[in-house]
Amino acid sequence: DIQMTQSPSSLSASVGDRVTITCRASQDISHYLAWYQQKPGKPPRLLIYAASTLQSGVPSRFSGSGSGTDFTLTISSLQPEDVSTYYCQKYNGALYTFGQGTKLEIK
Amino acid sequence: QVQLQESGPGLVKPSETLSLTCNVSGDSISSHSHYWVWIRQPPGKGLEWIVSMYYSGSTFYSPSLKSRVTMSVDTSKNQFSLELISVTAADTAIYYCARQGRGASPFDLWGQGNLVIVSS
Repeated sequence: DIQMTQSPSSLSASVGDRVTITCRASQDISHYLAWYQQKPGKPPRLLIYAASTLQSGVPSRFSGSGSGTDFTLTISSLQPEDVSTYYCQKYNGALYTFGQGTKLEIK
Repeated sequence: QVQLQESGPGLVKPSETLSLTCNVSGDSISSHSHYWVWIRQPPGKGLEWIVSMYYSGSTFYSPSLKSRVTMSVDTSKNQFSLELISVTAADTAIYYCARQGRGASPFDLWGQGNLVIVSS
């Protein structure tokens, strides 16, 4: 099975900072990578799919990049409402594995 | 506006069967465009995909749960269901239903979740 590993597990940054979260697949998954945002007490929300395509309604400060095994989620200018846990997910091969999550907090 | 809403008991005894239903509004569960999905999240932990199903019956299972899971679709009620047999405390989680596009697609719409505690 393909494993998805995120780093860091937690992150603290200041408002306005550029924030980057990485996700590594144990095998090549091409571009079949999604990012989700989960705020406390809420369900996850799809942010990005196909590694770099922004879901409708997602602010443009979010962006994704990568292919193959290495992927990144970037927030260009951190806002207070971005406090959340972020998950990556592979969605090819009919096995939909999530990373363990990255908890993002404001300093 | 498409909405998904889970329903079911919040407490299940060990060794019994967990049963949940997801009601879909604003979209047809017979849509040729979507699969329907169950995911769970133990309290304070990460997300685990359980099963995805097309209305006609094509189903994909998590290998770790396949032996205990049954998913069904009721097109007349526009809802789908999950059964998980022989539950233990390790099955305590928030259970989410979600929608997924056909082909290789992410989960683009989620329900609010239903907390199920397994305890005697």
